[in-house]
Amino acid sequence: KNEVEQSPQNLTAQEGEFITINCSYSVGISALHWLQQHPGGGIVSLFMLSSGKKKHGRLIATINIQEKHSSLHITASHPRDSAVYICAVRSNTGNQFYFGTGTSLTVIP
Amino acid sequence: DGGITQSPKYLFRKEGQNVTLSCEQNLNHDAMYWYRQDPGQGLRLIYYSQIVNDFQKGDIAEGYSVSREKKESFPLTVTSAQKNPTAFYLCASSIVADEKLFFGSGTQLSVL
Repeated sequence: KNEVEQSPQNLTAQEGEFITINCSYSVGISALHWLQQHPGGGIVSLFMLSSGKKKHGRLIATINIQEKHSSLHITASHPRDSAVYICAVRSNTGNQFYFGTGTSLTVIP
Repeated sequence: DGGITQSPKYLFRKEGQNVTLSCEQNLNHDAMYWYRQDPGQGLRLIYYSQIVNDFQKGDIAEGYSVSREKKESFPLTVTSAQKNPTAFYLCASSIVADEKLFFGSGTQLSVL
């Protein structure tokens, strides 16, 4: 059983559409991260959340600690948003990070 | 410009050979990590280090070895004991007291 589950696995959207990616986790956490991995392979951190909601440009991330669930929203999607989005959590009982399998997003012009 | 540098970007291993992946950071981070990424799976922890000259095994350490002689450097050796080494390897670092992870650009290792 994976400690972090993401859905959907793959997502194709038309440019301009509103996109939601979901993440559920089963362990106690100190923080949740949303990461973006482009085709070249490098990973960048988009958000780090321990409660509530954060916004950066067209990206919004929310977390519900009681329900152990987080969502990443992309408003007015653009082809350059095409990437793999990974949800990761840091356990509150050690230094361990757990990663979801990623959501592959393709935005079509 | 601070960051994490991984090299090489592509690496090929012959059967029975040990290969070493380089990871260097100039972020002054104490903690460094090695992850393995396989298609359809989440990143899996190989080894991590929170301080110079100390490191701990992760979930899939068998067939791998590391060293941490300098704060900036955390090389990973894939030994001949690792029977299925083909994967994408990512190095990361963080401040121990902080949450944010910084990643390198990765090394794709393939077997000849």
